[in-house]
Amino acid sequence: DIQMTQSPSTLSASVGDRVTITCRASQSIGMSLAWYQKKPGKAPKLLIYKASSLEGGVPSRFSGSVSGAEFTLTISSLQPDDFATYYCQQHHTFPLTFGQGTKVEIK
Amino acid sequence: EVQVVESGGGLVQSGGSLRLSCAASGFTLSAYAMSWVRQAQGKGLEWVSGISSTGDNTNYADSVKGRFTISRDNSENTLYLQMNSLRAEDTAVYYCAKDREGGIPDYFDNWGQGTLVTVSS
Repeated sequence: DIQMTQSPSTLSASVGDRVTITCRASQSIGMSLAWYQKKPGKAPKLLIYKASSLEGGVPSRFSGSVSGAEFTLTISSLQPDDFATYYCQQHHTFPLTFGQGTKVEIK
Repeated sequence: EVQVVESGGGLVQSGGSLRLSCAASGFTLSAYAMSWVRQAQGKGLEWVSGISSTGDNTNYADSVKGRFTISRDNSENTLYLQMNSLRAEDTAVYYCAKDREGGIPDYFDNWGQGTLVTVSS
């Protein structure tokens, strides 16, 4: 199975900060990566697919990129609604696998 | 409005069985792959199983292979997950997730609110 490793596990930030979350796959997955936002008691929300495509309705402060084997989710200016846990997910090979999550907390 | 609604969760003893259902509306179910994803309390998301739009192809996480069976009835707009030989570690909220693109499971643009499965030991 492909292992997805996110860093950091927890991130403390303030409103207005630029936030970067990283995800690395244990083997090559091309551009087959999605990012989700998850809040307690709510369904996950798709933010980014195919590594860098922004899902419709998602604010443009969210962006995804890839450099080599490292995928990055960037929030350009953190907003109060963005405090949540973020997950990456590879969709290259079955079984599909998620990263362990990155919790973005209020500093 | 695209909507998926799970049902069928509950409390079951270890070794028991449960069948989850996911009712789809607002889109043509037969055009999309579907998946089940779970989240145990305090843990991360775990993809459990996926099924192609036609139902011809199914895939499973290693942790449930041989115990869980995914199926779909496109005429009834419903997805199912038959769970047998349940274990305490299967305790989680189970989400039904619609694929964004279509034919085979990859990434998910619509999710239900989840149904809680609790396996008592």
